[in-house]
Amino acid sequence: GAVVSQHPSRVICKSGTSVKIECRSLDFQATTMFWYRQFPKQSLMLMATSNEGSKATYEQGVEKDKFLINHASLTLSTLTVTSAHPEDSSFYICSARAGGSGAFFGQGTRLTVV
Amino acid sequence: GENVEQHPSTLSVQEGDSAVIKCTYSDSASNYFPWYKQELGKRPQLIIDIRSNVGEKKDQRIAVTLNKTAKHFSLHITETQPEDSAVYFCAASKGGQGAQKLVFGQGTRLTINP
Repeated sequence: GAVVSQHPSRVICKSGTSVKIECRSLDFQATTMFWYRQFPKQSLMLMATSNEGSKATYEQGVEKDKFLINHASLTLSTLTVTSAHPEDSSFYICSARAGGSGAFFGQGTRLTVV
Repeated sequence: GENVEQHPSTLSVQEGDSAVIKCTYSDSASNYFPWYKQELGKRPQLIIDIRSNVGEKKDQRIAVTLNKTAKHFSLHITETQPEDSAVYFCAASKGGQGAQKLVFGQGTRLTINP
């Protein structure tokens, strides 16, 4: 299947700092990527849809100024968690769909804010 | 918007027995229904999917059925093995192309007892 790579896999940061997470489609072009957040033992909650060359579409309740998304190329989307706080600690995971197929996920990023 | 309900939240079966997980969706326009398996700390992996023009699809020990009228679909795993233990998520989306977001069910934690 298609390969989606996410980096870093783990990050620890101090409160108030910003963290950037990268999501790359390695063997296909993705005009659209999706960012999810997953709490322990819970489902994947869609945060936003990342659109190449245009603004991201955020789900209700997700602060766009808090979670900055940039999709500058057909293979790269980035999520920046700005002014991180402990409550932002979570597992963040991106996905992309290759054509009409199911979504392929990145490895996920476990963010811990201390 | 689309809402996907998944049951049960936990399921424990004896090795060799069958497991069934059920999902319902709310948007009759949804036409693509994938199932994902997520092992602890890892990314969700697509295991099988079905489109609305098909009522059933099978891949070795895994099968998915879809009832469009009732708006529900199910995952069936036969001859379960310990390595089937994981969290399983159903999802739904509309449209056939990559730009359509997936809405996930709450997940089912499947435990196979040896």
